[in-house]
Amino acid sequence: QPVVTQSPSASASLGASVKLTCTLNSGHRNYAIAWHQQQPEKGPRYLMKVNSDGSHSKGGGIPDRFSGSSSGDERYLTISSLHSDDEADYYCQTWGAGIWVFGGGTKLTVL
Amino acid sequence: QITLKESGPTLVKPTQTLTLTCTFSGFSLTTSGVGVGWIRQPPGKALEWLALIYWDDDKRYSPSLRSRLTIAKDTSKKQVVLTMTNMDPVDTATYYCAHALWAGDSSSTFWLFDYWGPGTLVTVSS
Repeated sequence: QPVVTQSPSASASLGASVKLTCTLNSGHRNYAIAWHQQQPEKGPRYLMKVNSDGSHSKGGGIPDRFSGSSSGDERYLTISSLHSDDEADYYCQTWGAGIWVFGGGTKLTVL
Repeated sequence: QITLKESGPTLVKPTQTLTLTCTFSGFSLTTSGVGVGWIRQPPGKALEWLALIYWDDDKRYSPSLRSRLTIAKDTSKKQVVLTMTNMDPVDTATYYCAHALWAGDSSSTFWLFDYWGPGTLVTVSS
C-alpha cells in the first residue's frame, strides 16, 4: 500500500516562490500523486496531478503560478509569485490497489 | 459544472449510526471512469479517506474503518449515501464527498478527486 509523507509546515515571503514536497514510500516511487489546496475554513480544491516523469496536469482555473515536478520518490508543488491567499494547507493524495491515501498536509504560511 | 453537497445530522450520540447523503449534479454515476468518495477531517487534523463507490457499483473502504462503513448510490436521485455505525466522539469531523476521476494512462492506473463538496461538520456527543 502506498504512503505519502509531507513536511508539516513551510513558509515564504509574499511575492517569492516556495516548493512543497510529497514523498512516496519504498516500492511506490513510480506512483503519481495529486495536490489539493485547503484555504482556512474551506473545503479542499484539486490543483493538479503530478506523474513520476515530472509531467503534470492541472485542474480547471488553476493559475500558471502553480506547477508540479518530480524527482525519484519525491513529488513537488511549486508556487511562484506568492499571494496572501496562497496561505493554506496543501495535501498530496495517491492511489493504489483500490486504496486512497492522503498525506498529513503542509501548512504554508505567507510572510 | 460539477457540484456536490453533503447533508445529514450535525449531532449524533455515541453508539448511534450516522447516515450522510451526497447530492451531486453535473455528471452521471453511470459514466465509466467516475466515482464518488467520502473523506473526513477531524478539527485541526488531516484528511482521511473513508469510502468510494465506482460507476460500476464496485465499492472500496478504508481498511481501518471497513467494518463500520457502508456506501451506496442512487443514480436516479444523483445521490451517494454513507453510513457509519457505532459512532464515537473521535469520529467528530467535517465529512466531505468528492467526485473521483480515472486519471491514468496506457501504462498505469490512477484515480484522483477533482471536485469536492463544501463539507458538513458532524459532532459526536452525548
